[in-house]
Amino acid sequence: AQSVTQLDSQVPVFEEAPVELRCNYSSSVSVYLFWYVQYPNQGLQLLLKYLSGSTLVKGINGFEAEFNKSQTSFHLRKPSVHISDTAEYFCAFYNFNKFYFGSGTKLNVKP
Amino acid sequence: GAVVSQHPSRVICKSGTSVKIECRSLDFQATTMFWYRQFPKKSLMLMATSNEGSKATYEQGVEKDKFLINHASLTLSTLTVTSAHPEDSSFYICSAGDRGMNTEAFFGQGTRLTVV
Repeated sequence: AQSVTQLDSQVPVFEEAPVELRCNYSSSVSVYLFWYVQYPNQGLQLLLKYLSGSTLVKGINGFEAEFNKSQTSFHLRKPSVHISDTAEYFCAFYNFNKFYFGSGTKLNVKP
Repeated sequence: GAVVSQHPSRVICKSGTSVKIECRSLDFQATTMFWYRQFPKKSLMLMATSNEGSKATYEQGVEKDKFLINHASLTLSTLTVTSAHPEDSSFYICSAGDRGMNTEAFFGQGTRLTVV
């Protein structure tokens, strides 16, 4: 079975602190991995993606993620968050012409 | 990146009526479009995949007669919620890809449907 698991439904963090949002996937074949951000009542915006090559991927707004094949993980990190990063974050992988999304992690940045 | 426009962003309709949601790719030809439904505090649930010029492929459990999908051109797909009921109230999001898309999906801004 193919699936994406986001281990934390909510992550509260103070402004300027580092954050890590966890994502694990299950697939029997190679996958393309993505992180998307969703602001209230809006669609999804691509933060970053891993297709191949370097396992450390840098995205927009200072986010980065590391692909770990042995641990089947693709955790999202940011060294210093801002209030404006408050949003919901979705991990996803693409395979066989479909996207599989995790359940989402709500990042709440507090002043 | 490519732009996908979804319209309307919000719609309120009476129970029993039908509502059409449009998804347009503005600067590329979308051979494949996906329709998702997002429940409160939940992830995106793929409803169907539509390919231009052919019938949509619905996911298991999605009523094809209730959620009519048309992908008549390379830039437009529509989702019609027929005989809407309050339980159809949800956030609907489309995404689109061009030929050979296997690395990214471009998402519309979503439609908040409320059936009263």
